[in-house]
Amino acid sequence: GDSVTQMEGPVTLSEEAFLTINCTYTATGYPSLFWYVQYPGEGLQLLLKATKADDKGSNKGFEATYRKETTSFHLEKGSVQVSDSAVYFCALGGGNQFYFGTGTSLTVIP
Amino acid sequence: DAEITQSPRHKITETGRQVTLACHQTWNHNNMFWYRQDLGHGLRLIHYSYGVQDTNKGEVSDGYSVSRSNTEDLPLTLESAASSQTSVYFCASSEERSSAKQYFGPGTRLTVT
Repeated sequence: GDSVTQMEGPVTLSEEAFLTINCTYTATGYPSLFWYVQYPGEGLQLLLKATKADDKGSNKGFEATYRKETTSFHLEKGSVQVSDSAVYFCALGGGNQFYFGTGTSLTVIP
Repeated sequence: DAEITQSPRHKITETGRQVTLACHQTWNHNNMFWYRQDLGHGLRLIHYSYGVQDTNKGEVSDGYSVSRSNTEDLPLTLESAASSQTSVYFCASSEERSSAKQYFGPGTRLTVT
């Protein structure tokens, strides 16, 4: 069945460092791919999405490219800030359901 | 502004009791979802609904039920609470089906003792 595998955490970075959080997927058909962010004590918020192969989603300096050949949707940011500290979830939408990764906790230290 | 709310935000109950968690959205979305979030598992889909009178089982539906009598509400019922159901529960809604953005509620932390 469909599934998402994402990089284990936690990840700790210094402010202005480069961020990559890996996400790979298994799917039949042509799913849409998403990154959600969860700040402490809150629900998830959509960060970015891509609906077809080679699409690049971007928001707030974060980017991810839908790579069909490697079944990947890695999240990147060139220069992280303390305010980016949160849990990041990769997700796949296909058929009638959504599948989320296990989440990657990011802490950015000044 | 449109929103999605959950109540209660925190609940402690005893094993064997029936518990209902409320979810209310003012987006007028047809699609609503219930997830549970557990460490090491991420979010797992419990039940979902694509409209009034429509309900479907998700990945981890055993021990849970939902009903959809109007567009705005999708209450989640634990028929006989078990300690394994201690978790954080999130409700979400979306305008379209699986390719669309989901709007999440703030979550309900349920502890079953």
